[in-house]
Amino acid sequence: EPEVTQTPSHQVTQMGQEVILRCVPISNHLYFYWYRQILGQKVEFLVSFYNNEISEKSEIFDDQFSVERPDGSNFTLKIRSTKLEDSAMYFCASSDPGQVNTEAFFGQGTRLTVV
Amino acid sequence: GQNIDQPTEMTATEGAIVQINCTYQTSGFNGLFWYQQHAGEAPTFLSYNVLDGLEEKGRFSSFLSRSKGYSYLLLKELQMKDSASYLCAVVSGGSYIPTFGRGTSLIVHP
Repeated sequence: EPEVTQTPSHQVTQMGQEVILRCVPISNHLYFYWYRQILGQKVEFLVSFYNNEISEKSEIFDDQFSVERPDGSNFTLKIRSTKLEDSAMYFCASSDPGQVNTEAFFGQGTRLTVV
Repeated sequence: GQNIDQPTEMTATEGAIVQINCTYQTSGFNGLFWYQQHAGEAPTFLSYNVLDGLEEKGRFSSFLSRSKGYSYLLLKELQMKDSASYLCAVVSGGSYIPTFGRGTSLIVHP
């Protein structure tokens, strides 16, 4: 069964450092998303990406964040200068709007710890 | 904006039936998802409701009332492995993007 894959599974970084979280969405999907989940809290939407550009973003997705699709398969989230409060699980997801359900399939997540 | 409300925690006994409720206020409702999330893992899709009524899928069923802004997830013949968080997520406006509630942590005990 096709799946969304994310790397790395865990990342520890020092405050102020840049991190890049990587995702390979399901190959025939057209919409890509990043969500985050701070420990014990709800899954929060960050950004969606369609047709090689950001389609929607939340207020969390400020200038410190950026997304890229550098080739035909990868989808990355960059945090320029990490803060302690960026520590969270980051989930990548993809969906195919041509399907009736338009369900988002989630990757297993990258646990980011900022120290 | 959207407001999605679910109970924080529920407990139930193995073999029993449990109903997890979700209420929402939103404009331009498109549909409602239920996801299951085990601790430390990714959410996995359970159901998607667009029209009023009950959709059954094995041990899990999901109900929607658009006029009442209400949905529930019904889990039958509970198993220990059903212990997880159950996330209600709403899609509205012209968006495909699910907005998640805080989730209901279900604890199934023997």
